[in-house]
Amino acid sequence: DVVMTQSPLSLPVTLGQPASISCRSSQSLVYSDGNTYLNWFQQRPGQSPRRLIYKVSNRDSGVPDRFSGSGSGTDFTLKISRVEAEDVGVYYCMQGTHWPPGFGPGTKVDIK
Amino acid sequence: EVQLVESGGGLVQPGGSLRLSCAASGFTFSDHYMDWVRQAPGKGLEWVGRTRNKANSYTTEYAASVKGRFTISRDDSKNSLYLQMNSLKTEDTAVYYCAREGYWGQGTLVTVSS
Repeated sequence: DVVMTQSPLSLPVTLGQPASISCRSSQSLVYSDGNTYLNWFQQRPGQSPRRLIYKVSNRDSGVPDRFSGSGSGTDFTLKISRVEAEDVGVYYCMQGTHWPPGFGPGTKVDIK
Repeated sequence: EVQLVESGGGLVQPGGSLRLSCAASGFTFSDHYMDWVRQAPGKGLEWVGRTRNKANSYTTEYAASVKGRFTISRDDSKNSLYLQMNSLKTEDTAVYYCAREGYWGQGTLVTVSS
């Protein structure tokens, strides 16, 4: 199975400052159709996960533009340009290229 | 608006069975693959399994941890997804989510304990 790793696992941030989360996969996530099926999910405390980004860099409907995704191959990044209080939670990357689908361990974002 | 509503969770003894349901609305259910994903208390997310749509023969796939014990089915006429869980183990204790790509339900808690 493809192993997904994230760093850091804990990220204290200052309101209004940027934040960045790294996600790495043990194999390239480029699929045979040319797409890279790497998603980012946010899970706020007590809530269900919510997808923020699909196929590396595409924001889901309603997701603020302070969230952006980038990367290729095995190395991906989620960036928050200016952290707001509502961004507190756990962020997961997830690969859907290889079977079975798999999630990273999560990065807990909280306010300093 | 896409909605996914899980039900059927509860307390069950090890070795027991439980059937979860997911009621879908706001989209053409029969067109879509559907997944079950779980989250043990205080832990991360684990994909459980998938059912494909009619065009892909309703084929199913399972995580190794549940294969042979869990069965996913669907009833397109009722816009419903199911997860039959047999031979439950304490390590199956988790919130179970029904998911369709970027859409997730609120989850239903399954507790396996004596």
